[in-house]
Amino acid sequence: DQQVKQNSPSLSVQEGRISILNCDYTNSMFDYFLWYKKYPAEGPTFLISISSIKDKNEDGRFTVFLNKSAKHLSLHIVPSQPGDSAVYFCAASEGAVKLIFGTGTRLQVFP
Amino acid sequence: GAVVSQHPSWVICKSGTSVKIECRSLDFQATTMFWYRQFPKQSLMLMATSNEGSKATYEQGVEKDKFLINHASLTLSTLTVTSAHPEDSSFYICSATGASGSGDTQYFGPGTRLTVL
Repeated sequence: DQQVKQNSPSLSVQEGRISILNCDYTNSMFDYFLWYKKYPAEGPTFLISISSIKDKNEDGRFTVFLNKSAKHLSLHIVPSQPGDSAVYFCAASEGAVKLIFGTGTRLQVFP
Repeated sequence: GAVVSQHPSWVICKSGTSVKIECRSLDFQATTMFWYRQFPKQSLMLMATSNEGSKATYEQGVEKDKFLINHASLTLSTLTVTSAHPEDSSFYICSATGASGSGDTQYFGPGTRLTVL
């Protein structure tokens, strides 16, 4: 049972445009959500997080939106840069302890 | 800040041997460390959670006698894959929480690629 889902395995975006990565979850008890960026053969790098008491968190070019009623969160990257090309994982937890990861979305930003 | 290292970065071993992977928090004391496994093109799957000085908590389906976890100090946790077999070949990643000002955010190590022949 996949509690955290990223239905788009890949996304291709032109440099300078907005990248929108989506994530859906099924467990209504999740109260903390994170996005990680991962390059091949490396560990994930923390990008941004949001708690369930908020619906938006922004950090530079990265903004995470949370829609609790839809059990959906998204990561917006504006403007997208070639260096953003990587696999992005969303993760969720209940009580900010155990993380459940999605399957990842491979983002490619082309010039 | 919040750097986590792993050693070795890759290891190849023969079937039946044991392999130890180290995870260190370099610039903070890790209250909790986590071990994950990632198979190709799949998500990271949590294997176990460990706190310094106490026994690890294993996820369902993870054999605790096969994957031995020792969390001897606030900066070091080790994962030993005992009697490794080819199906244990995977990418093992640790993470740690406890970095100052970061709450419960998990910071990940670079991972260890294990190949069992």
